[in-house]
This record gives sequence, C-alpha cells and structure tokens, in this order.
Amino acid sequence: DTGVSQDPRHKITKRGQNVTFRCDPISEHNRLYWYRQTLGQGPEFLTYFQNEAQLEKSRLLSDRFSAERPKGSFSTLEIQRTEQGDSAMYLCASRRGSWADNTEAFFGQGTRLTVV
Amino acid sequence: DAKTTQPPSMDCAEGRAANLPCNHSTISGNEYVYWYRQIHSQGPQYIIHGLKNNETNEMASLIITEDRKSSTLILPHATLRDTAVYYCIVYRDDKIIFGKGTRLHILP
Repeated sequence: DTGVSQDPRHKITKRGQNVTFRCDPISEHNRLYWYRQTLGQGPEFLTYFQNEAQLEKSRLLSDRFSAERPKGSFSTLEIQRTEQGDSAMYLCASRRGSWADNTEAFFGQGTRLTVV
Repeated sequence: DAKTTQPPSMDCAEGRAANLPCNHSTISGNEYVYWYRQIHSQGPQYIIHGLKNNETNEMASLIITEDRKSSTLILPHATLRDTAVYYCIVYRDDKIIFGKGTRLHILP
C-alpha cells in the first residue's frame, strides 16, 4: 500500500499525559497537512509543511501542540498535557507540488484520540 | 473560513443521478474547484477538480458555470456506497480548508 499511513489508528490516554502521532506521506509528496476532526464537523486545518519547513500553524493550535517533519518525509504531531477537549480524529494528508500546482491531496485513515 | 457554501444534506434514490451544488462566488480566476468525500470513519477521498471546463472521471462529473461562481458534482448512478459527506473546496493559499459539506443519503 503506497497511500498515506498513520499510526496508531486509535489511542486512549489519561488526561495530562503526552501523546505522539506519526504520519507517513506518499513518497515524494513535499506537502504534508495535519487536521483535527470532531464528530459532525469537517476536518479543521492545524498545520502544514513543505518538505521539512513548517509553513503555517492555525491559531487554533495551542502551545501544547507541536508538529515536526525532520527530514521532509514522515511527520509527528505531539500533544502535551492532554485535555478531554483534545479527543478527536487527527488526520494527515499529503500532496505533491508547489503552491501554484493544482494537485489533489491524499488522506490517511486518521488517528482517533480519546482522552479520559 | 471555507470559500464555499453547500446545502447541509441531500437525499437521492439509489440508481439515480445525485447532483450536489456548491457556491464559490469569491473564487479567483486561477483557483480550481475540488471535490472530496468522506465516508463514515474514513479519511477524505479526492473525487475530481476543475478550473472552468466541465470534467469527468470514473467517479463523477463536475459542471462549472461560465461565471465560475458555482459548480455541481454529479454522481451518475448513485449507490448505497456513495453515502458520505461531500466537500467542495477552493484551496486557500496552498491550504485545504474544509467547510461543513453536504451529507448525501442514498435511499434504497
């Protein structure tokens, strides 16, 4: 399978713990996006990368959230001191090309986080 | 915020064509219209995109009005597997911003 993969698929954690999610994009896709989705809502943009550079973070992304893409390949999203409001599906997507390129994005199946 | 508006839900009988409208009145001349769908508990899936000409692929057809202020996604023969939330999207500065989409119910 050469699609976008996310790990883990499910994560249950206690409030206050730190969690880290991983996303492996499609090979050679230079753009990588992270989203959060809660029940009944569309995916909410969190941040994105061009290669290893983080280009933008949503103002919705608190200081407890950090994302990296150290070698321009896989990416990690870490949430520190989790809160119950962090419970959501976290989606990763990748696409090739530059800002001006009109290319489709490919999404992973997501990581479902439950904070108890 | 998303640059598009869509009806929150629609019904379509199985086997009939499903026509999903989208308004994007502020679209710029070089911005494409994209359609994705999300089946329950899965990641969004790309369907089709276009600039100003009508487009067709194995999944759907996309009709864009001449003034480019609106478009319609057509699923020619809807099946129960097409039940999903459909998102019409105009990329914003390289970001893919989702609205609420249209929840399509296919009726047996």
